[in-house]
Amino acid sequence: AQSVAQPEDQVNVAEGNPLTVKCTYSVSGNPYLFWYVQYPNRGLQFLLKYITGDNLVKGSYGFEAEFNKSQTSFHLKKPSALVSDSALYFCAVRDMGNDKIIFGKGTRLHILP
Amino acid sequence: EAQVTQNPRYLITVTGKKLTVTCSQNMNHEYMSWYRQDPGLGLRQIYYSMNVEVTDKGDVPEGYKVSRKEKRNFPLILESPSPNQTSLYFCASTLSGQGHEKLFFGSGTQLSVL
Repeated sequence: AQSVAQPEDQVNVAEGNPLTVKCTYSVSGNPYLFWYVQYPNRGLQFLLKYITGDNLVKGSYGFEAEFNKSQTSFHLKKPSALVSDSALYFCAVRDMGNDKIIFGKGTRLHILP
Repeated sequence: EAQVTQNPRYLITVTGKKLTVTCSQNMNHEYMSWYRQDPGLGLRQIYYSMNVEVTDKGDVPEGYKVSRKEKRNFPLILESPSPNQTSLYFCASTLSGQGHEKLFFGSGTQLSVL
């Protein structure tokens, strides 16, 4: 069965420093991978996705993510964190073999001024 | 404006009193889904629909019903709510079942069952 793991419940980063939010996945076939962000009292918003091709994908608000097939990972990154990046981040995977979209438990990102 | 609209935003009810949470999208999307969000558990899929009159169970369907009579609407029905269904619920939609399109989310419904 497909699954997504976000090993860190919370990540703290100083403003201006690079940030990484980790995600690993398990699927039976080739994955479609996504990152979403949730700000307080809001629904989830799409950040970026990996379908095929270049392993480094760029998304909204300066975020990027690197797909690593051998490590089954899709870590979210940003070179320089902003206080406004503080939010809850979700990794999601869709197995090409079925119609379910599975989300990780989420990682709360705190950017410290 | 392209959007997914859920109502109500907040709902407090009592055990056993049937309720419906509505979800509507104006993007002509084929795929719609319901999720519940609980602390420490993330988002878990309740039901999803690939198109009109086609619905399937997600990972936590017990105690819920859905229907997809029209393309734009996908209501979530709790026939006999229980306190363990207290949660934050999100409706989401995407263009089709091909899998690589992003999901659009509603603003959420915070449900409390007393």
